[in-house]
Amino acid sequence: AQRVTQPEKLLSVFKGAPVELKCNYSYSGSPELFWYVQYSRQRLQLLLRHISRESIKGFTADLNKGETSFHLKKPFAQEEDSAMYYCALSPIQGAQKLVFGQGTRLTINP
Amino acid sequence: GAVVSQHPSWVICKSGTSVKIECRSLDFQATTMFWYRQFPKQSLMLMATSNEGSKATYEQGVEKDKFLINHASLTLSTLTVTSAHPEDSSFYICSARDARSGGNEQFFGPGTRLTVL
Repeated sequence: AQRVTQPEKLLSVFKGAPVELKCNYSYSGSPELFWYVQYSRQRLQLLLRHISRESIKGFTADLNKGETSFHLKKPFAQEEDSAMYYCALSPIQGAQKLVFGQGTRLTINP
Repeated sequence: GAVVSQHPSWVICKSGTSVKIECRSLDFQATTMFWYRQFPKQSLMLMATSNEGSKATYEQGVEKDKFLINHASLTLSTLTVTSAHPEDSSFYICSARDARSGGNEQFFGPGTRLTVL
């Protein structure tokens, strides 16, 4: 079965501090991993995907197949990073649905 | 970027009535659209995968006769909640996958809040 676990429902850090949002997954095949973000009163939007290996808005995430993790990191948090973050998994082949984690609400304190 | 719209953005209905929610891809063709529901302070739960020109694929536990999905064109999918009851009150979100895209990225609509009295 496919499962995504985000152990922290809430995460609060100060502006300028490093931030790490944890994501672990369970899947027997080769998944595609995503981070989606939802800012206040906005729709869900893609932040980054593991196959792109990009840094978006200063965020990076590395797929660790050994630890089955896809943690989201940013070295210096900014107030505008406050949002709800969802980690999601999709099989690379076959059904293209997304399985979401429970989400982590990130609050950046000034 | 790709834009997905939903209509209506919110709806209030009486118990026992049916409600139709539309999901449109505005600037791309979507062979596949997805319907999710989200309860307060919870994550998105996939209800069904809507395939253009064929029957939708429902997730386990989702009643296909209650949540009717039609994907008649490459830019429109509809979700009809039949004989709605208060427990159907939720936030319904659709997403669409760009047919030209080689990856599994989905573009999300703004959601429809359904309140059943």
